[in-house]
Amino acid sequence: QSALTQPASVSGSPGQSITISCTGTSSDVGGYNYVSWYQQHPGKAPKLMISDVTDRPSGASDRFSGSKSGNTASLTISGLQAEDEADYYCSSYTSSGTWVFGGGTKLAVL
Amino acid sequence: QVQLQQSGPGLVKPSQTLSLTCAISGDSVSSNIATWNWIRQSPSRGLEWLGRTYYRSKWSYNYAVSMKSRMTINPDTSKNQFSLQLNSVTPEDTALYYCARGGGRGLAAFDIWGQGTMVTVSS
Repeated sequence: QSALTQPASVSGSPGQSITISCTGTSSDVGGYNYVSWYQQHPGKAPKLMISDVTDRPSGASDRFSGSKSGNTASLTISGLQAEDEADYYCSSYTSSGTWVFGGGTKLAVL
Repeated sequence: QVQLQQSGPGLVKPSQTLSLTCAISGDSVSSNIATWNWIRQSPSRGLEWLGRTYYRSKWSYNYAVSMKSRMTINPDTSKNQFSLQLNSVTPEDTALYYCARGGGRGLAAFDIWGQGTMVTVSS
């Protein structure tokens, strides 16, 4: 199972919005509404920010939102804050009954 | 609240077996909703899902294709924990290993993570 494709890095200024894409295939992202997004700060475990493509679990900021079109899912962060600077990973359930992650995107808040 | 506490050695010799344990508090390894997963992270491979166990009237197991021949996940209901055994390790198995809950709160995602265990494979 190949990893999902994410941009290596994105950047934005405080207050701006950014979007991170996550591209898979019809056997994972496109085939199921089971895409999730994780935020990881250095030295910390990943933290769930979005599940089931669009759902935001309790504890996740409402500035984070998710969407999907075809084989590509997206994470949008609005009103960028310095604390959002982190690595972001997407994940999807697959037709093999397994899970696959994206390669990760480093977000810089300039 | 739900917490996962990992334990196990940080150094394993090549060809030997890597063993890690994840103790669960605030939930049950026999939950009919949750799944119990192992995930690892390395600079070369990023985040990699390894496998899971879960209980739905009986125990089930799923493993990543690349790990299937070397990996075993075992639930321990008496201690409310689950373990990972990875046989015949090589330096490529050097990584930060996490246990994680899946399906908690009905979410198709990993909502609770252990603190991580850095495992180095070296003689």
